[in-house]
Amino acid sequence: GESVGLHLPTLSVQEGDNSIINCAYSNSASDYFIWYKQESGKGPQFIIDIRSNMDKRQGQRVTVLLNKTVKHLSLQIAATQPGDSAVYFCAENNNQGGKLIFGQGTELSVKP
Amino acid sequence: DGGITQSPKYLFRKEGQNVTLSCEQNLNHDAMYWYRQDPGQGLRLIYYSQIVNDFQKGDIAEGYSVSREKKESFPLTVTSAQKNPTAFYLCASRRGLAGLYEQYFGPGTRLTVT
Repeated sequence: GESVGLHLPTLSVQEGDNSIINCAYSNSASDYFIWYKQESGKGPQFIIDIRSNMDKRQGQRVTVLLNKTVKHLSLQIAATQPGDSAVYFCAENNNQGGKLIFGQGTELSVKP
Repeated sequence: DGGITQSPKYLFRKEGQNVTLSCEQNLNHDAMYWYRQDPGQGLRLIYYSQIVNDFQKGDIAEGYSVSREKKESFPLTVTSAQKNPTAFYLCASRRGLAGLYEQYFGPGTRLTVT
């Protein structure tokens, strides 16, 4: 079945470095993708989204890249800060029953 | 202040008791969802609803029940039939089931059953 998965379950970076979190998806019909950030004990928060007719979208310190050829999504965080430490989830809208399909999540740890 | 509220934040129950988790949204969203999250795990869909008085089972509906009597409310009951109910429960809403819409999450309820 369709799935959204992450290459790395944990990522540790030095404060100030750039972070890259990856996500693979299997449904080529998916038309919309979202990245969420979840801090410990809290609900996921929306970070950035991208539609399938785009290959890049930038926000404040974050960039999402979409490569439809290899069905790959990535989240880049510039100048990573301690406050960025959290679990990051990608989600895929594959137009099946109105459900988003969530990846397993990557835990980002920022060392001061 | 628009958003999704879940109450309570922490809930403790004895095994064998049913418990109902509250979820309210004032975003005027049509679709609402319940997820379960276990430590170090992703989100698993329990139930979802597109409109009032209609809901569908998600991937792990056994041992849970829901109702959608009002657009803004989607309570989840964890019944005694749920074999491992201790978890973090997240409610979410979305403008609609179809469409390129993000999903908004509530703050979650941590349920502990002993």
